Amino acid sequence: ETGVTQTPRHLVMGMTNKKSLKCEQHLGHNAMYWYKQSAKKPLELMFVYSLEERVENNSVPSRFSPECPNSSHLFLHLHTLQPEDSALYLCASSQDLTGQTQYFGPGTRLTVL
Amino acid sequence: GQNIDQPTEMTATEGAIVQINCTYQTSGFNGLFWYQQHAGEAPTFLSYNVLDGLEEKGRFSSFLSRSKGYSYLLLKELQMKDSASYLCAVNMDSNYQLIWGAGTKLIIKP
Repeated sequence: ETGVTQTPRHLVMGMTNKKSLKCEQHLGHNAMYWYKQSAKKPLELMFVYSLEERVENNSVPSRFSPECPNSSHLFLHLHTLQPEDSALYLCASSQDLTGQTQYFGPGTRLTVL
Repeated sequence: GQNIDQPTEMTATEGAIVQINCTYQTSGFNGLFWYQQHAGEAPTFLSYNVLDGLEEKGRFSSFLSRSKGYSYLLLKELQMKDSASYLCAVNMDSNYQLIWGAGTKLIIKP
């Protein structure tokens, strides 16, 4: 199994839908991250978890709700999104929070209609 | 504020050499990362520099000058598969926070 996997790879949803993005890491890491990547913009850090505890919530709207049931799995629950939320959502993991290299999944391409 | 600058797009020829620059202005510095990202795929780690100088890894090398707030990624013997975006990121203070550049899209022509 490859290092960090994400499902689904593509998602189209209406503004009233509820959906969830899933991330799984097989690297034995303790920290996991959600990033938003929009065209021609730097990666935006959304949430950070360390040992299943949230350590960062970068002023992300409440329509994005993360969940980390264990150190290998991370979810992003989506509810009543806006068209401007359309982007590539990347999951990453690292050994810990001390500036170690982050390893990324392939992302979920989200389109909100 | 914190800032990283990279060229938006570069074009190079197969077999040639290309240098992608990254300049940064950050309140702290604890290392600089380069990642490669093919369209629709995960960013993959290429290199990490924390001390001044050149780090060579096969066809790819990365250089850092902390006094100038400057790094570059050097790609030699370019191949078509090197067509991708190259992301520069700075770690400011030994934690998970990275300041990211917007990426440089590299186009390789035959």
